[in-house]
Formats: sequence, C-alpha cells, structure tokens
Amino acid sequence: GAGVSQSPSNKVTEKGKDVELRCDPISGHTALYWYRQRLGQGLEFLIYFQGNSAPDKSGLPSDRFSAERTGESVSTLTIQRTQQEDSAVYLCASSSFWGGLGTEAFFGQGTRLTVV
Amino acid sequence: AQSVTQLDSHVSVSEGTPVLLRCNYSSSYSPSLFWYVQHPNKGLQLLLKYTSAATLVKGINGFEAEFKKSETSFHLTKPSAHMSDAAEYFCVVSGVAGSQGNLIFGKGTKLSVKP
Repeated sequence: GAGVSQSPSNKVTEKGKDVELRCDPISGHTALYWYRQRLGQGLEFLIYFQGNSAPDKSGLPSDRFSAERTGESVSTLTIQRTQQEDSAVYLCASSSFWGGLGTEAFFGQGTRLTVV
Repeated sequence: AQSVTQLDSHVSVSEGTPVLLRCNYSSSYSPSLFWYVQHPNKGLQLLLKYTSAATLVKGINGFEAEFKKSETSFHLTKPSAHMSDAAEYFCVVSGVAGSQGNLIFGKGTKLSVKP
C-alpha cells in the first residue's frame, strides 16, 4: 500500500475486555515495529518483527500483551483484560530491510486506545 | 550497544529566531541517524536522515542536521523558527541489528514557538 495503515483509529473499551489492533505495513517491508505512546510521553518500544526470524518481544510490558504477524504482511497486537494504564496511542511502523545503513521507519497514524 | 540522548526535553523559541535541538548518540558501529517530527495528534514523519554520505544533511521545512563523529552528535537546526514548527522531535539511531530491531529512539524534545 501507499503507507502504513492502522485500524481502528480510535478504540474505547471497558476495563477487563480484550482488544485487537491491526497494522498493515508498506508492501515489501520486512521489518515491523509496535510502539506505545502515553499522553505527553515518548515512544515505548513493544515488539519487533523481521521476516521469518523470531520476534523481539523484549518491550512487551506484561503477558497480557501479545502480537502476531503473518509472513511479511499484517500484524495484530492483542491486549487481554485491558487496564486503564493501557490507555495510549499504539503506533506501528515498517521498514525495508534488516539492520545496516539507511533504514528509516514509516509510521502509521496510530490507534488511540481509551480504557474506561 | 547503541543509545541516543536528547539533551533537552523542552525548547522554547520566538518566531523568527534560530532553533537548536540537541542529540548525542552512542554506537559501536557506524550508525545511521534520523530526526522525526510529530505534530500534535499526528503520526511521526521523517524530517531528515544521515547515512554516511555528506555530514551536513538537509531535510524538509528548512531543517538541517550535522553529523559530528568526534562529538558523537547529530544536532537539529533551523535558521528561523515558524509557528508551524511547534511539535515534538525525536532523534533516532540505527545500526547493526540488535534488540528493538535497529531503531533506538530518544525521549523527544518538545519545541514551542512563541509569536
């Protein structure tokens, strides 16, 4: 596609419910990142996928968070039993190759999650 | 290991005056460096990038940054601030793949522009 697409753009959910956030990366991009950005804060790394390699899950804050990616396409970030502290904008980014020079990430517009 | 430090969390300038946003990095390898901008309630947009070619890099909207290996710095500058430059700016280092993929973000600098 023309850019990284995320859906939904906004999600309001009740505490304790599960949510799924979707990211469609730019076609051909092998790397995909998920970040969390709380209000007024910087980016918090969550998880990184690169091709068929095992994902780097080192940023996932708890076992309520999980993510999947099918090949080099769509990724889904799932948050189970949501808590109010999960309220944030979740950003997805993709980039075209693994390591080295010149890689820049292209970001989606984010999903604003509000847990009430 | 790679890291990036943005030395100021908040910078305030008057419209028409120069902008300086500071960034220092640490990398065991020759890094790529980027600046991203995030306007309020918007996604992140690439402002400029350094990839071992010219050390002075020009970006969009009149911004530029100079890679100084001896100082491990990649400061962002603009000669004359505009009200529309008010945003959050992130310095990013990229290099050999490691944890967090190959992108390490600074904590961001919020730029305010006074009329």
